[in-house]
Amino acid sequence: LAKTTQPISMDSYEGQEVNITCSHNNIATNDYITWYQQFPSQGPRFIIQGYKTKVTNEVASLFIPADRKSSTLSLPRVSLSDTAVYYCLVGAKNNYGQNFVFGPGTRLSVLP
Amino acid sequence: GAGVSQSPRYKVAKRGQDVALRCDPISGHVSLFWYQQALGQGPEFLTYFQNEAQLDKSGLPSDRFFAERPEGSVSTLKIQRTQQEDSAVYLCASSLEYRGETQYFGPGTRLLVL
Repeated sequence: LAKTTQPISMDSYEGQEVNITCSHNNIATNDYITWYQQFPSQGPRFIIQGYKTKVTNEVASLFIPADRKSSTLSLPRVSLSDTAVYYCLVGAKNNYGQNFVFGPGTRLSVLP
Repeated sequence: GAGVSQSPRYKVAKRGQDVALRCDPISGHVSLFWYQQALGQGPEFLTYFQNEAQLDKSGLPSDRFFAERPEGSVSTLKIQRTQQEDSAVYLCASSLEYRGETQYFGPGTRLLVL
């Protein structure tokens, strides 16, 4: 099974750019990389998804190097409401087919 | 449109009781996933359906856990003879894609086993 590693926690200040990196050495050829955000007492919420190179949407950017063994979520100009846990998710194959492995999550604290 | 809904939102059970947790996915979503999330931890995969077919149940922690999706829509996660270590939030997610690359999560059911 693919495993992912992320920093356990990060602190930032309002208005700064935050970059969170996830390592996924065993990613399979057809797997996508997806990042989720989770607030307390809520289910995770989709942020962004990519396969290779760079993807950008209205809330974040995702950078994936050529070897795809890592990915970096970039949050521009964070605000207090971005305080949450961020998870990196990759699809991983096992003997039964397809399952999905969440990273341990990065707890981002945005300070005023 | 309506998102993924789960019921009940909270469940307290005595050790040894059976519980059933329901998930209503987004209409038309073919894939459905169940995850278990312990306090302070990331979600851990339990099982995965494509329509009514359970393609992967490798994450179910024991044979006390059983999931079904008989008509390819609503799913039920059943836990028999609950134990204290089953206390967790159970998350359901659905996806339009067969591989489930983009998943939409429900709010979860918080299970407390006393």
